[in-house]
Amino acid sequence: ETGVTQTPRHLVMGMTNKKSLKCEQHLGHNAMYWYKQSAKKPLELMFVYSLEERVENNSVPSRFSPECPNSSHLFLHLHTLQPEDSALYLCASSLNPGGADNEQFFGPGTRLTVL
Amino acid sequence: GQSLEQPSEVTAVEGAIVQINCTYQTSGFYGLSWYQQHDGGAPTFLSYNALDGLEETGRFSSFLSRSDSYGYLLLQELQMKDSASYFCAVRVNSGGYQKVTFGIGTKLQVIP
Repeated sequence: ETGVTQTPRHLVMGMTNKKSLKCEQHLGHNAMYWYKQSAKKPLELMFVYSLEERVENNSVPSRFSPECPNSSHLFLHLHTLQPEDSALYLCASSLNPGGADNEQFFGPGTRLTVL
Repeated sequence: GQSLEQPSEVTAVEGAIVQINCTYQTSGFYGLSWYQQHDGGAPTFLSYNALDGLEETGRFSSFLSRSDSYGYLLLQELQMKDSASYFCAVRVNSGGYQKVTFGIGTKLQVIP
């Protein structure tokens, strides 16, 4: 248990659906991250939020829309996804994105399948 | 951009020692981290090296040579539970915060 929870753990959706992934951290951290993990590929950083402000958008298609209402919660809104978007989506948090102690704590991930 | 190279797979015997190497090319380098991920699990932090040298934490040690853009993770007295994927990750300066870029991961299989 890392102190970062994600729901749902599994999600199957059609290309026309709209769904949201939720992440919550109970660690008092100031930064939160979304990563995409696909088979045979490195973890891909998607978005970074620091104190609820987006500081990184790593050329992610607009069909992925993040939302950070406060420093403990992070959402990833999904709409009109493609089958190649099927992957494990990991949320992470860290104490201070600009500091030396930037160990990232990961949630268990949401396994997304797009049909 | 950043690039990292590490072996895709390594097999080692229980009780033995294994070294997983990582080379990187990047600018604005702060340090090198290592993460462990079991199948179906989340990545978990193992170590972070900002300075040259060896850092030891129990059976695991991590080494960094900034001049060679090279680091490694050393696992001693291997146990079956060490079978997992191990990711090296570089921290670089990116507009005021430390961006972390992960390698593709090394799948370690520990055999009896």
